[in-house]
Amino acid sequence: AQTVTQSQPEMSVQEAETVTLSCTYDTSESNYYLFWYKQPPSRQMILVIRQEAYKQQNATENRFSVNFQKAAKSFSLKISDSQLGDTAMYFCAFMSMGSGTYKYIFGTGTRLKVLA
Amino acid sequence: DAGVIQSPRHEVTEMGQEVTLRCKPISGHNSLFWYRQTMMRGLELLIYFNNNVPIDDSGMPEDRFSAKMPNASFSTLKIQPSEPRDSAVYFCASSSLDEQYFGPGTRLTVT
Repeated sequence: AQTVTQSQPEMSVQEAETVTLSCTYDTSESNYYLFWYKQPPSRQMILVIRQEAYKQQNATENRFSVNFQKAAKSFSLKISDSQLGDTAMYFCAFMSMGSGTYKYIFGTGTRLKVLA
Repeated sequence: DAGVIQSPRHEVTEMGQEVTLRCKPISGHNSLFWYRQTMMRGLELLIYFNNNVPIDDSGMPEDRFSAKMPNASFSTLKIQPSEPRDSAVYFCASSSLDEQYFGPGTRLTVT
């Protein structure tokens, strides 16, 4: 069974600094997707970034980038130039295409607080 | 597109009452997911549909919970009878391929 582990329940970072959130996963599949979602206090789940497993290049979206290490089954999120609006819960998610369905497996989340 | 629409946004009910949560997925999306989020258990997948057909309901807690998707633009999650431990935020999400788009959630409080 696939699992997703986020080992950092809480983190904090100073405004304008860089922070990295960790995520590891376990799967025997070779074709899958990985995602990071952000959940601010408004509780809306917002897709931050996605990575296809077959792509070696790490995904980047503005200040957000990932470090995807397929062999190590690691998928960390780096937030550069942190802003107060980045304060949120961050969830890592895995989706396998092997079964032809689109079921996500979510991690338990990391609560990030950006300090002024 | 208006995104995934959920109603109501907040629901307060008494134990034993029936509760119905509603979801309108994004037009053109063929998969729909119901999640429950609590502090203790995090984000749990309850059930998901593909082309209006329930594919996996293994996350549904017990027989008090039921979900339907009568057509491509509407789904309901029903709890009957409700219990205080059902208090949570319930999310609906839809997808056409790999990316899931979440609704704003329904905060349910059962007293």
